[in-house]
Amino acid sequence: ETGVTQTPRHLVMGMTNKKSLKCEQHLGHNAMYWYKQSAKKPLELMFVYNFKEQTENNSVPSRFSPECPNSSHLFLHLHTLQPEDSALYLCASSQVDRARGEPQHFGDGTRLSIL
Amino acid sequence: GQQVMQIPQYQHVQEGEDFTTYCNSSTTLSNIQWYKQRPGGHPVFLIQLVKSGEVKKQKRLTFQFGEAKKNSSLHITATQTTDVGTYFCAGGNNDMRFGAGTRLTVKP
Repeated sequence: ETGVTQTPRHLVMGMTNKKSLKCEQHLGHNAMYWYKQSAKKPLELMFVYNFKEQTENNSVPSRFSPECPNSSHLFLHLHTLQPEDSALYLCASSQVDRARGEPQHFGDGTRLSIL
Repeated sequence: GQQVMQIPQYQHVQEGEDFTTYCNSSTTLSNIQWYKQRPGGHPVFLIQLVKSGEVKKQKRLTFQFGEAKKNSSLHITATQTTDVGTYFCAGGNNDMRFGAGTRLTVKP
């Protein structure tokens, strides 16, 4: 039990489908992150939310749409994905420290396969 | 933007041999973190270094933060098969950036 729960664990979808990934943290943290992990880029930061506000978007294509309704929940809405989007999507959470980064706690990830 | 470089990308050792991975930044870091990801698992936080020249130990693992706070290393003494996985460093100020990781394999 990591304190960060991701669902689903595995997802197979076609390029025209719309699906959402969910992340929930039970650690009382106020920052949440989405990462993409693939063979080409081992740990690629996608989005950062601090206190429910998006503070970073690392040039992620618009077919990925994040949503953070509160500090405990984070979603990644997917639509019209491409085969190269197949990867492990990891969610993480941490406390926010304006002076330095705090340790991040990761979920088990969602293994996404695009047909 | 800020980048954290990590070498080597891969390391294969015989069980009992030592292992070291290095992390370098062109800018001064307020702190450095190390994570381990086992095959099929997720990154797990190991340790955080904050002070210039800091050295911390966890059993067979030794972590160092450079005097200039621009580099760090993780050294494992006498590797075991349980050490296999990818070791990531993450450095930054209020925005942490992960290195590409070093994948360690250990031959029994």
